[in-house]
Amino acid sequence: EAEVAQSPRYKITEKSQAVAFWCDPISGHATLYWYRQILGQGPELLVQFQDESVVDDSQLPKDRFSAERLKGVDSTLKIQPAELGDSAMYLCASSSSANEKLFFGSGTQLSVL
Amino acid sequence: QQQVKQSPQSLIVQKGGIPIINCAYENTAFDYFPWYQQFPGKGPALLIAIRPDVSEKKEGRFTISFNKSAKQFSLHIMDSQPGDSATYFCAAVQGNTPLVFGKGTRLSVIA
Repeated sequence: EAEVAQSPRYKITEKSQAVAFWCDPISGHATLYWYRQILGQGPELLVQFQDESVVDDSQLPKDRFSAERLKGVDSTLKIQPAELGDSAMYLCASSSSANEKLFFGSGTQLSVL
Repeated sequence: QQQVKQSPQSLIVQKGGIPIINCAYENTAFDYFPWYQQFPGKGPALLIAIRPDVSEKKEGRFTISFNKSAKQFSLHIMDSQPGDSATYFCAAVQGNTPLVFGKGTRLSVIA
């Protein structure tokens, strides 16, 4: 069964450093999402892409976070500089169209020290 | 502002029991209500979903009950098994706006 691939699986960094996460969605899925999940909470949307275009980034802290999906396939989420409060699970998801069944990857667990 | 309120926060049931997880919403424009199941170290996976034009949907041992007038919906797990132990999230969405998740319910099914 096709899966959403994410890397790295775990990332430990010091505050003020830069980090980057990568996501490869299921082939053919036009919609890609980045979610942040704090321990004990539900996922919260950071950014949504339709092909290579940003559809919604209203909850993305744009002073330090950036996301791109240059060729409308894989995507990168970057944080610079990282802060202690950024420690969380970063989940990527994809779907064939907006808000149809979302397929999530296993996430990147970020710890900022 | 939390748009979907989920309860309880945690739940322990005996094997074979029927855990019930409840969600309430305010936005009457929501038109799709999925439930996601998440195991430790994994991303959420879609379990079952319902639209507001029906009051109940069953898929295997999982049932969603939907009360449009009360703006509530719930997940029932029949004949629960230890393998059902996971965190369950309700969610709601309106059209193409972002999916909004509840805070989750951690379910433990003990043998």
